[in-house]
Amino acid sequence: QKEVEQNSGPLSVPEGAIASLNCTYSDRGSQSFFWYRQYSGKSPELIMSIYSNGDKEDGRFTAQLNKASQYVSLLIRDSQPSDSATYLCAVNNAGKSTFGDGTTLTVKP
Amino acid sequence: ETGVTQTPRHLVMGMTNKKSLKCEQHLGHNAMYWYKQSAKKPLELMFVYSLEERVENNSVPSRFSPECPNSSHLFLHLHTLQPEDSALYLCASSQLSKGLAGGHNEQFFGPGTRLTVL
Repeated sequence: QKEVEQNSGPLSVPEGAIASLNCTYSDRGSQSFFWYRQYSGKSPELIMSIYSNGDKEDGRFTAQLNKASQYVSLLIRDSQPSDSATYLCAVNNAGKSTFGDGTTLTVKP
Repeated sequence: ETGVTQTPRHLVMGMTNKKSLKCEQHLGHNAMYWYKQSAKKPLELMFVYSLEERVENNSVPSRFSPECPNSSHLFLHLHTLQPEDSALYLCASSQLSKGLAGGHNEQFFGPGTRLTVL
């Protein structure tokens, strides 16, 4: 079992829809959780951080964390074609980050 | 504009060449990382330096040799590489904290060096 697993893609949604990206992790001691966006040929860019259970909203992005279920998700509302990218989930415990394989999202106009 | 810079952005080298990748962070962080990302593959952590000391080396072949002269600079020295080493090499930095009350260990990436080994 991988330490960080993301829902297999690719994920395709129409413009204006909600895109839902999921991530589960195995290390119960994990303390910090991150979502990165990576456009093709570019480096990962941090878009959301979450540290406590519940929801955290930032513009069109909402991160959700459930430590009991070892689950973290990213919702993108009103998806735009510019949101088309690979999204990486990262989980951190005591300074060590583990990345998932990524989920590729395509938003169709 | 990212606080982590990498040079060169593109590099083509033969298998007998020796070259170095450079990374510089302007964020005041205390940890730096090298990652390898091959086409259609996930990120692979290669090396971690914390306070200029190597704290992780993930079974990387000896043809890759890291160097961290200070907390702002990180190098990756390359020699006698193989074609399968062609990839995007990413540098990242973070402010490491092991306690809950400290920083949250977000990593910030540089733009990467696209390496092609012929």
